Amino acid sequence: SQTIHQWPATLVQPVGSPLSLECTVEGTSNPNLYWYRQAAGRGLQLLFYSVGIGQISSEVPQNLSASRPQDRQFILSSKKLLLSDSGFYLCAWRDRGLNYGYTFGSGTRLTVV
Amino acid sequence: GQSLEQPSEVTAVEGAIVQINCTYQTSGFYGLSWYQQHDGGAPTFLSYNALDGLEETGRFSSFLSRSDSYGYLLLQELQMKDSASYFCAYQAAGNKLTFGGGTRVLVKP
Repeated sequence: SQTIHQWPATLVQPVGSPLSLECTVEGTSNPNLYWYRQAAGRGLQLLFYSVGIGQISSEVPQNLSASRPQDRQFILSSKKLLLSDSGFYLCAWRDRGLNYGYTFGSGTRLTVV
Repeated sequence: GQSLEQPSEVTAVEGAIVQINCTYQTSGFYGLSWYQQHDGGAPTFLSYNALDGLEETGRFSSFLSRSDSYGYLLLQELQMKDSASYFCAYQAAGNKLTFGGGTRVLVKP
């Protein structure tokens, strides 16, 4: 069966520090991968998505970046965090078949202080 | 522009029926999905409608009218565990899923 792993679960980082969040998917190949961010009490905002290794599409211009070094690995990074980067970050995957549902990881709650 | 609108909050009692409406505006529309998210948790997929009509999955049903750019999620026989936020989301061109702001459902005994 397919599983998605996301870590860490919580993170407190100072302003100006770097960020690296990792997401891996098991039990599938060539998935579409996504990074979403959710502010408290709000909807999910799509940040990046990837349809293959090295292929990244950015939805929101900001100081975040994403990379996909391996088929089932998706990384969200920042060189210098801002206070406004605080939020709940969710990785998701979707296979390319007829399953239309996205499967989300357990999320990382990031607080920038 | 591209957007989805849904009510911010709905309150109902156990055993009742709740309908969450969702209107959307987009081009290249493929289908409408619904997700459930409990506080502190990740969203989980409930349903997907690509064609007009009603899709039933247990106590939950989802409806789509493409001509009206409208859909709804129907929660029947409400249980306390159904207290959560519910998001509609559309699948459009470019492998992207765009979410609405969510509807918080509070089930009271």
